[in-house]
Amino acid sequence: QKEVEQDPGPLSVPEGAIVSLNCTYSNSAFQYFMWYRQYSRKGPELLMYTYSSGNKEDGRFTAQVDKSSKYISLFIRDSQPSDSATYLCAIASGGSYIPTFGRGTSLIVHP
Amino acid sequence: KAGVTQTPRYLIKTRGQQVTLSCSPISGHRSVSWYQQTPGQGLQFLFEYFSETQRNKGNFPGRFSGRQFSNSRSEMNVSTLELGDSALYLCASSSSGNEQYFGPGTRLTVT
Repeated sequence: QKEVEQDPGPLSVPEGAIVSLNCTYSNSAFQYFMWYRQYSRKGPELLMYTYSSGNKEDGRFTAQVDKSSKYISLFIRDSQPSDSATYLCAIASGGSYIPTFGRGTSLIVHP
Repeated sequence: KAGVTQTPRYLIKTRGQQVTLSCSPISGHRSVSWYQQTPGQGLQFLFEYFSETQRNKGNFPGRFSGRQFSNSRSEMNVSTLELGDSALYLCASSSSGNEQYFGPGTRLTVT
């Protein structure tokens, strides 16, 4: 079992839809949770960073962490074609400085 | 603050040659990590440097090496290039180690 599992998609949604992107992880020592957005042929861009269970909101983006289920989610409200990208989750423990990345989910928002 | 910069952005090399890639981190960040990204394997961790010392290392052969200078700038070197080394090489800097801020990457093509 991989440490971080993420469905590669692609996930195709109409403009304006609410998007849900998810990752599961196996190591209960993980404490820090991040979401990155990567456009084609660009480097990943840090979107959200949280270290606690519950929700964290930033504009149209909400990150949700459920440590008891080892499950994290990123919700995108009112999705736009410009949100079309690959979204990677990344998870780290306090002791290890290097996060473990999911494979990424490809999101396509069509007009 | 200026972001992470990487040079060169694109590179074409021949099998058997060697290559050196450069990364300048965000000002004040002392941790620099290198990743290889391919469609088949996703984002794979190469190594991390902190204050000129290699602090973490991924599972790559010895042909892949790196170093960090006193100004936190980092270089990675790949010797005896193979076709399978064709990838996007990403550098990321961090102040804490967990939050990684990526550069635009160097796209290496080995022919």
